[in-house]
Amino acid sequence: AQSVTQPDIHITVSEGASLELRCNYSYGATPYLFWYVQSPGQGLQLLLKYFSGDTLVQGIKGFEAEFKRSQSSFNLRKPSVHWSDAAEYFCAVGVWGGGADGLTFGKGTHLIIQP
Amino acid sequence: GAGVSQSPSNKVTEKGKDVELRCDPISGHTALYWYRQSLGQGLEFLIYFQGNSAPDKSGLPSDRFSAERTGGSVSTLTIQRTQQEDSAVYLCASSLAGRESSVEQFFGPGTRLTVL
Repeated sequence: AQSVTQPDIHITVSEGASLELRCNYSYGATPYLFWYVQSPGQGLQLLLKYFSGDTLVQGIKGFEAEFKRSQSSFNLRKPSVHWSDAAEYFCAVGVWGGGADGLTFGKGTHLIIQP
Repeated sequence: GAGVSQSPSNKVTEKGKDVELRCDPISGHTALYWYRQSLGQGLEFLIYFQGNSAPDKSGLPSDRFSAERTGGSVSTLTIQRTQQEDSAVYLCASSLAGRESSVEQFFGPGTRLTVL
């Protein structure tokens, strides 16, 4: 079965600074990879996804992520964070076949933005 | 078009009471998922519906939890005899059929359940 690890529970970044959120996955083949963001009291919004092709994917709100097969990683980056980026970020692995295997989520990284 | 909607947005109930949570998926989405998100936790899969197939109930934590999906669209998650540990945000998601489409899920805003 697949699994997702987000090693950082909390990250604090100054406004305007760059950001990298880590995500490692475990799966026997190349999975489908996602990053979701959840603002307080809100549902999950898809930031970006990787299915195949170019390993650097661009998403909404200025985010990007890079799939590195050799490291089983899919880290999320942003060159300059804004206070509105403060939220919970979830990495997820998708496996074809749906059902309980459809999406496996990491436990999330809570991003705090310092003024 | 409209996204996934859930109602109510907040529900406060007393221990031992039954509650029903509703999910309206995106029109045309054949797959529907329920997740539970407890404080400080990730998303815990509960149940999955795909078309007219029997639901995958493998994630339901106890027999107090059940769900149905009527007409392949709206779904209701029912929790009987609620306990305080049931307090959480319950998220619903839907997706299209097909290989890549089925793994891309669209989430509703959730229902925050508080059991006193």
